[in-house]
Amino acid sequence: EVQVVESGGGLVQPGGSLRLSCAASGFSVSSDFMIWVRQAPGKGLEWVSMIHNAAGTFYTDSVKGRFTISRDSSKNTIYLQMNSLRTEDTALYYCASRGTWGQGTLVTVSS
Amino acid sequence: QAVVTQEPSLTVSPGGTVTLTCDSSTGTVTSGHYPYWFQQKPGQAPRTLIHDTSNKHSWTPARFSGSLLGGKAALTLSGAQPEDEAEYYCLLFYSGEGVFGGGTKLTVL
Repeated sequence: EVQVVESGGGLVQPGGSLRLSCAASGFSVSSDFMIWVRQAPGKGLEWVSMIHNAAGTFYTDSVKGRFTISRDSSKNTIYLQMNSLRTEDTALYYCASRGTWGQGTLVTVSS
Repeated sequence: QAVVTQEPSLTVSPGGTVTLTCDSSTGTVTSGHYPYWFQQKPGQAPRTLIHDTSNKHSWTPARFSGSLLGGKAALTLSGAQPEDEAEYYCLLFYSGEGVFGGGTKLTVL
């Protein structure tokens, strides 16, 4: 079965860090591209980052310099290292490939 | 960063046809923006319907189709069903960076 499962979310204080994981099964995370998308409560989807097998890594402006996307092919997993977190980063974070979405992991940034 | 605009809401009658559009603040939407369309129902994760302008996944109902229309990306639903009531998002890529539209709330009524 083709699926992705996110983990690593939680409650963190402003300025803190979290690392999200996205474990894939049924396909290789290295074969195409993978993206992170977030959705704040009651809001629309926001594209956060992409890792592409040929083109490299990309970020939305608001997370550049704070977030880092990476990939471990041996674990068939991608990661999103999130540093200097802000309250506005609070959202449900989804991992997705071209056609497969996870159920998301909730990140809450609050003091 | 570019702004991607969608109709905030649309209504279609059961069995009817509706076209949702996706406009770019930078100008004409082309295949080079690799337009994607997603469907999201309340409390659920999004689901990819269309990738790269017009390509469907195996789970995409035949009544959905993607195209470029009048300088925009378009999602056409022909023969709307009650289960098609949902929020629809488009995604465009600008040299690797993605931007979602604000979403279209589609009502089947």
